[in-house]
Amino acid sequence: RKEVEQDPGPFNVPEGATVAFNCTYSNSASQSFFWYRQDCRKEPKLLMSVYSSGNEDGRFTAQLNRASQYISLLIRDSKLSDSATYLCVVRDNDMRFGAGTRLTVKP
Amino acid sequence: DTGVSQNPRHKITKRGQNVTFRCDPISEHNRLYWYRQTLGQGPEFLTYFQNEAQLEKSRLLSDRFSAERPKGSFSTLEIQRTEQGDSAMYLCASSSLRAPYSGANVLTFGAGSRLTVL
Repeated sequence: RKEVEQDPGPFNVPEGATVAFNCTYSNSASQSFFWYRQDCRKEPKLLMSVYSSGNEDGRFTAQLNRASQYISLLIRDSKLSDSATYLCVVRDNDMRFGAGTRLTVKP
Repeated sequence: DTGVSQNPRHKITKRGQNVTFRCDPISEHNRLYWYRQTLGQGPEFLTYFQNEAQLEKSRLLSDRFSAERPKGSFSTLEIQRTEQGDSAMYLCASSSLRAPYSGANVLTFGAGSRLTVL
């Protein structure tokens, strides 16, 4: 089993849609969780940290379920500019990335 | 400080040659990470340093790969006897354990060094 697994995608959605990405991790002792965004041919950049109680940043909502070792990201009211690859990141002693889920938002 | 700097941005080499990549992290960051990324995949962890100490190197892809951070500032990643399968983007990232909790462990990436092995 991979350390961090994500929905393979790709997701193709119309503007205004709500889309959800899932991620599971193998190490129950993992300490911190993040979502990063990577645009084509660019480096990954932090989108948001994921807190145990769940957290929201504008149209983005992240949730963590430690018992199921599951992380999610919800994007509401998708914009064209949300098109990117979304990477799930888990911190053990180091930082491990999932393979990423590609999102394309179409007009 | 303008962020994480990586050099060279692009490297084309012939199979069997050695290559070295340099990473200059954000100056106040004490952790430095190396990743490899191939098309359609997420960054694959290689190694990381806390100050000058290399805390994890078992994920380096083979004994042809080595990394150093001699003074706890910049780091180098060397690949000896390159193979075509080494062609990839090599990403460096840094973070600070001393940041406020909300910023701790947040990785800032450089733009990467793209390696092509012919």
